[in-house]
Amino acid sequence: GENVEQHPSTLSVQEGDSAVIKCTYSDSASNYFPWYKQELGKRPQLIIDIRSNVGEKKDQRIAVTLNKTAKHFSLHITETQPEDSAVYFCAASLYSGAGSYQLTFGKGTKLSVIP
Amino acid sequence: NAGVTQTPKFRVLKTGQSMTLLCAQDMNHEYMYWYRQDPGMGLRLIHYSVGEGTTAKGEVPDGYNVSRLKKQNFLLGLESAAPSQTSVYFCASRAGEAYGYTFGSGTRLTVV
Repeated sequence: GENVEQHPSTLSVQEGDSAVIKCTYSDSASNYFPWYKQELGKRPQLIIDIRSNVGEKKDQRIAVTLNKTAKHFSLHITETQPEDSAVYFCAASLYSGAGSYQLTFGKGTKLSVIP
Repeated sequence: NAGVTQTPKFRVLKTGQSMTLLCAQDMNHEYMYWYRQDPGMGLRLIHYSVGEGTTAKGEVPDGYNVSRLKKQNFLLGLESAAPSQTSVYFCASRAGEAYGYTFGSGTRLTVV
């Protein structure tokens, strides 16, 4: 099956600086890569996603890049704010052979933005 | 439009007791999933369903059973709860392959 590795597990940045979280995946057949933000005690929320036919996608201060050759993708947050503090999860979607494109998640990155 | 609704939100069980977690979605999604979330372990797939009447095992299915009798509902059952099943359980649904999940608000289960 698919395996997703996520780094770093914790990340502290000063407010206004940029934050980068990196993920690698094992199966070259994976074709959909979402990122989720989870605030303490809340549900994971989709913040951005990218498909395998696109190399980069941006939404205001958030961007995701995908390198299919190297099998890695990254989340970039610019001009970080205290409300960006949360746990971020990457995921990769692989067709399981039983009619379901299930997501495999990384173990998460706890981002702390220091005012 | 409620999205994905999970009940209950909190529950404490004694070892050996049984219970059922309910997940309901009103988005007409075919695919539904049950995950558990433990500190440092991320989200691990328990069971999933690709449509009404179908279920399949995920990464950590032991000790759990599921049913999808109606398209909008996905039930997760614990027949004989164990302390190792103490966790936060999330249900999710998705419309199709290239779409993200919509998660429910979670159920915090403690087995003592």
